[in-house]
Amino acid sequence: GESVGLHLPTLSVQEGDNSIINCAYSNSASDYFIWYKQESGKGPQFIIDIRSNMDKRQGQRVTVLLNKTVKHLSLQIAATQPGDSAVYFCAETAGANSKLTFGKGITLSVRP
Amino acid sequence: NAGVTQTPKFQVLKTGQSMTLQCAQDMNHEYMSWYRQDPGMGLRLIHYSVGAGITDQGEVPNGYNVSRSTTEDFPLRLLSAAPSQTSVYFCASRAPGVYGYTFGSGTRLTVV
Repeated sequence: GESVGLHLPTLSVQEGDNSIINCAYSNSASDYFIWYKQESGKGPQFIIDIRSNMDKRQGQRVTVLLNKTVKHLSLQIAATQPGDSAVYFCAETAGANSKLTFGKGITLSVRP
Repeated sequence: NAGVTQTPKFQVLKTGQSMTLQCAQDMNHEYMSWYRQDPGMGLRLIHYSVGAGITDQGEVPNGYNVSRSTTEDFPLRLLSAAPSQTSVYFCASRAPGVYGYTFGSGTRLTVV
């Protein structure tokens, strides 16, 4: 079946370095993608989104890249800070009334 | 705005008991969803609603019922709790045309 998955379960980075979190999706009909951040004991929090007609979108310290050819999504965090330590999820949907499907999540750990 | 409010935050049930997880949002969002989150897994969709009076099943609907009598409320009912329903439950809502969901802070349910 269609699914959204992540390549790595954990990622450890040095404070100040850049982080790259990857996500693979398999539903070619997906037209909208979102990255969520979930801190311990809290609900997921929206970080950044991208539509399928774009290949890059930048926010504050974060950039999302979309490669539709290989069905790959990535989240880049610049100058990673301790407060970035969390679980990150990619999610995808195939239309305005479609369900939002989440990947399994990756834990980002920032070393001081 | 309070956003998405879930109650209770914690609950322990005995096998076979029933209960209702409450979810309310004050953003006039038409779309609401219930997810469960288990260790090592992403968020899995239980039920969702695209408006008052309209509900549909998600990925893991068995053992759960929902109703949507008002735009604001979307309760999730466990008819006969089972240990397999031990999980963290998240309610989320969004407006039409806005793909990113706003999540509540979750209900941690333990079934013994």
